[in-house]
Amino acid sequence: NAGVTQTPKFQVLKTGQSMTLQCAQDMNHNSMYWYRQDPGMGLRLIYYSASEGTTDKGEVPNGYNVSRLNKREFSLRLESAAPSQTSVYFCASSERVGNTEAFFGQGTRLTVV
Amino acid sequence: QKEVEQNSGPLSVPEGAIASLNCTYSDRGSQSFFWYRQYSGKSPELIMFIYSNGDKEDGRFTAQLNKASQYVSLLIRDSQPSDSATYLCAAVAGSNYKLTFGKGTLLTVNP
Repeated sequence: NAGVTQTPKFQVLKTGQSMTLQCAQDMNHNSMYWYRQDPGMGLRLIYYSASEGTTDKGEVPNGYNVSRLNKREFSLRLESAAPSQTSVYFCASSERVGNTEAFFGQGTRLTVV
Repeated sequence: QKEVEQNSGPLSVPEGAIASLNCTYSDRGSQSFFWYRQYSGKSPELIMFIYSNGDKEDGRFTAQLNKASQYVSLLIRDSQPSDSATYLCAAVAGSNYKLTFGKGTLLTVNP
């Protein structure tokens, strides 16, 4: 049972390049999330998907787009990467939004130069 | 004002002592509270959750919730060096039930 799988684990981009971070979960969870983690800032919610077919903005959505491809997969896209998007990105899933545990992927360390 | 506030620390305690980690939240409608542990370079993992006022114990860990004071805490008894990590407090609040995290408290347990 893999849980939540993110790809890639590491990525270096040049300013202006685009890329998509992939996330898949095999726990049949309804809800999925994308967070970024920066030193001293904790985990900040970028976007989330409460259920298949829905997506909503979180705390820091600017510069990102998401797609809930199906119940298993939730991708995060950077259309034109900026150095301010250098961060560690975590995907998470939970049975539903609300009072349930969120399980995290192993993270993607992204550097934009 | 961030919705979930934690003292960033670092908090340093000797091995065998009680470590006390604190968290406050601003949304009085917050319903559920979670404590995650994150080792350096790793992803967060759930330690405990608490929904009701009072204490909840699980082994060496006790979560405490006081909704009137909008305060959540985590006590770690008999602290071990392996408990050294960043502890993240999280709350579920709002009509859309977003899970919001504090900045985390770095705990160091000294042998």
